[in-house]
Amino acid sequence: ETGVTQSPTHLIKTRGQQVTLRCSSQSGHNTVSWYQQALGQGPQFIFQYYREEENGRGNFPPRFSGLQFPNYSSELNVNALELDDSALYLCASSGTRDSRRETQYFGPGTRLLVL
Amino acid sequence: AQKVTQAQTEISVVEKEDVTLDCVYETRDTTYYLFWYKQPPSGELVFLIRRNSFDEQNEISGRYSWNFQKSTSSFNFTITASQVVDSAVYFCALSEATLTSGGYQKVTFGIGTKLQVIP
Repeated sequence: ETGVTQSPTHLIKTRGQQVTLRCSSQSGHNTVSWYQQALGQGPQFIFQYYREEENGRGNFPPRFSGLQFPNYSSELNVNALELDDSALYLCASSGTRDSRRETQYFGPGTRLLVL
Repeated sequence: AQKVTQAQTEISVVEKEDVTLDCVYETRDTTYYLFWYKQPPSGELVFLIRRNSFDEQNEISGRYSWNFQKSTSSFNFTITASQVVDSAVYFCALSEATLTSGGYQKVTFGIGTKLQVIP
């Protein structure tokens, strides 16, 4: 196990609702990245948080937002849910934001279904 | 732009057979990093290996081995004497070494290869 935990494990929402997903990073890690993995696809980078600030973002609209807390845990918030937001959301933590020095370690994910 | 292609979407082998998972990548950078991850049905991505572009030495770890060939932009993964527990989706991923202005590195994943090992 990586020590990265995510909650909840599963979630069902309806279109237009808002959702918050949570991630606790591995002890000693200050960087959290979020990924969306649609069924049958590879993970797609959403954004990264380093020491409580967003320092990188993929091709996702502003209704995807996040937070990182002083203990380096993180939240992913999605507003105005759409059917296409149904996916596995993965959180990854690392000791630095620089993968030249450290690998990301992933949590078990949250499976979100939007009806 | 960086791209990772895993042409084999699904592979089935009988237990104890050897199997090779292919990965071809595209990048304009001369320095980059390649990864393999395993994703069992539980969903968690399990890190297997990281290789930087300057290290073309092949690596073996137990039944796993990796063949990195810069000339063909490939980073293939072989499982020897496959076991049922190897059944999973395997992802190849690429990260360029250059940090963006924001200081992060985007990791690009392939679509994954689903491996089924039949007893």
